[in-house]
Amino acid sequence: GESVGLHLPTLSVQEGDNSIINCAYSNSASDYFIWYKQESGKGPQFIIDIRSNMDKRQGQRVTVLLNKTVKHLSLQIAATQPGDSAVYFCAESPGGSNYQLIWGAGTKLIIKP
Amino acid sequence: DTGVSQNPRHKITKRGQNVTFRCDPISEHNRLYWYRQTLGQGPEFLTYFQNEAQLEKSRLLSDRFSAERPKGSFSTLEIQRTEQGDSAMYLCASSLGVGARTEAFFGQGTRLTVV
Repeated sequence: GESVGLHLPTLSVQEGDNSIINCAYSNSASDYFIWYKQESGKGPQFIIDIRSNMDKRQGQRVTVLLNKTVKHLSLQIAATQPGDSAVYFCAESPGGSNYQLIWGAGTKLIIKP
Repeated sequence: DTGVSQNPRHKITKRGQNVTFRCDPISEHNRLYWYRQTLGQGPEFLTYFQNEAQLEKSRLLSDRFSAERPKGSFSTLEIQRTEQGDSAMYLCASSLGVGARTEAFFGQGTRLTVV
């Protein structure tokens, strides 16, 4: 079946460095993508989204890049802080009248002091 | 209204018992979603409401699962005759949108343990 997946289950980054979390998706019809952050014991927290008619979107300290040619999504976090430690999920919306989100397994981001 | 609220936060039940969870979405949000999440995995879609209408239902939602949103505001998810495999975090989310997709805001979840 079609699914969203992640390249790395765990990413360790030095505090202050930039983090890049990658995601591959397989449904070429997906038209909306979201990155969520989930801390232990909490629900997912929205970080940033991007529609398929864009290839880049910036937020506060975060940038999402979308490459539709290779069906790849990435989340860049600038100047990573200890509070960024969490599991990061990308999710895709299949398009049309289907409003569900299809999620990958997540990447755990670990910040080294 | 500070966000999506889910109750209870934790539920331990014996196999075979029925359980019901409640979700209060962000007021004015017309869309409401239920997801299930097991440890180390991403959430899996269960069902979606637009106002009071249940518009999508996953194949994961067996006959033992039922969800309602009677007045287009809060929603309940009931699991009948619980099984150990039902143990998971049940997440509710809501969003506001007409046509276009917008970000969904999640509650803290209800963690169900079936013993």
